[in-house]
Formats: sequence, structure tokens, C-alpha cells
Amino acid sequence: GENVEQHPSTLSVQEGDSAVIKCTYSDSASNYFPWYKQELGKRPQLIIDIRSNVGEKKDQRIAVTLNKTAKHFSLHITETQPEDSAVYFCAARGGGGNKLTFGTGTQLKVEL
Amino acid sequence: NAGVTQTPKFQVLKTGQSMTLQCAQDMNHNSMYWYRQDPGMGLRLIYYSASEGTTDKGEVPNGYNVSRLNKREFSLRLESAAPSQTSVYFCASSAAGLNTEAFFGQGTRLTVV
Repeated sequence: GENVEQHPSTLSVQEGDSAVIKCTYSDSASNYFPWYKQELGKRPQLIIDIRSNVGEKKDQRIAVTLNKTAKHFSLHITETQPEDSAVYFCAARGGGGNKLTFGTGTQLKVEL
Repeated sequence: NAGVTQTPKFQVLKTGQSMTLQCAQDMNHNSMYWYRQDPGMGLRLIYYSASEGTTDKGEVPNGYNVSRLNKREFSLRLESAAPSQTSVYFCASSAAGLNTEAFFGQGTRLTVV
């Protein structure tokens, strides 16, 4: 089955700096890669996703890049703000069935 | 439009007790999922249902059973709870197709003592 690895597990940045979170996946048939943000005590919520036929997608301060050859994708947050502090999860879906497999999460802390 | 609703929000069980976690969605989604979330381990898939009448094992199915009662409801049952099943459980649903967003319920915090 699919295996998704996520790094780093914790990330601390200064307000206004950029943050990058990286994920790799194992199943070359996977074709959908969402990113979720989870605030403390809340449910995960989708912030951006990318399909396998697209190399990059941007939404305001958030962007995601996908390298299908290398089987890795990354989340980029620019001009970080304190409200960006949360746990971020990457995920992959496709190949055998409709399973959505998550990475282990990154705790992002944006310091003033 | 409530989205995905889970009950209960909190539960404490004694070792060996049984219980069922309920999940319902009102978005007419075909696919439904049960995940558990433990510190440092992300969201691990327990079971999922691609459509009404079908269920399939995920990464960590041992100790759990599921029922896709109808298109709206997907329940998770712990027959004999163990302390290792202490976790936060999330139900999620998504529309048919591989490129669709999964929506999560608010979670159930389960403690087994």
C-alpha cells in the first residue's frame, strides 16, 4: 500500500519568514495530493491540493509543488503569520482504491 | 448542512467494554473513512468504505469492526476495548472520484482505562 513520509516533524520560523514542509510517497499510481491544517483541538481542514497532471499550484501565501518523477511534493508558506501556527498534514490518494494516506504531520510554530 | 457529524465527542471506557462510534454525513458522499490520531503518528486509516455496502481494511484495522449502514452512516465498533485504543478518532467523507476533498468530523476523544 501507499506510504507517505513527512519532514520535518517540527518547524519553528520567525513571523514573516517562509516555511517549507516536504513529503514523499511510495505508490507511483497516486494522483491526488492534499494538504490539511489542524489547529489545536480542531478537525483537519483542507488548505490546498494538487492533481498529478499539475506541477505547481498557488493560493495567496500558500503554494504546493509536485515532482512525480521523484515522488515528492512540498508545501510552501510565505510571509508566515502567528495564525499559521498549527499541525500540517500531507496526504496521497490513488492507485489501488480510494484510500487517503496521511503523513505523520509537521508542527509549525510561527514566533513573533 | 452539518457536514460530517460524529458522536460522542468524549468517551471513557474500561478495558474489555464495547462501544460504537457513530458517524453521519449529509453531503451525499460515496466514500467514508475512519482514522485514529495519536501523537507523532499522524492520521492512520482504520477502515474505509468506497460506497454503500462495501468496506475495506486500512492500515490499523485490528480490534475494530465497521458497518456502512446506508449512504449517510458509517459506524466504528470496538468489541473489547484495550488501553492501546486510547486515541482521537476522526470520521471523514468524500465524493466519488480520486481527486475530491475529504471532509472531517469534529473527532471523538476516547480513553480506555
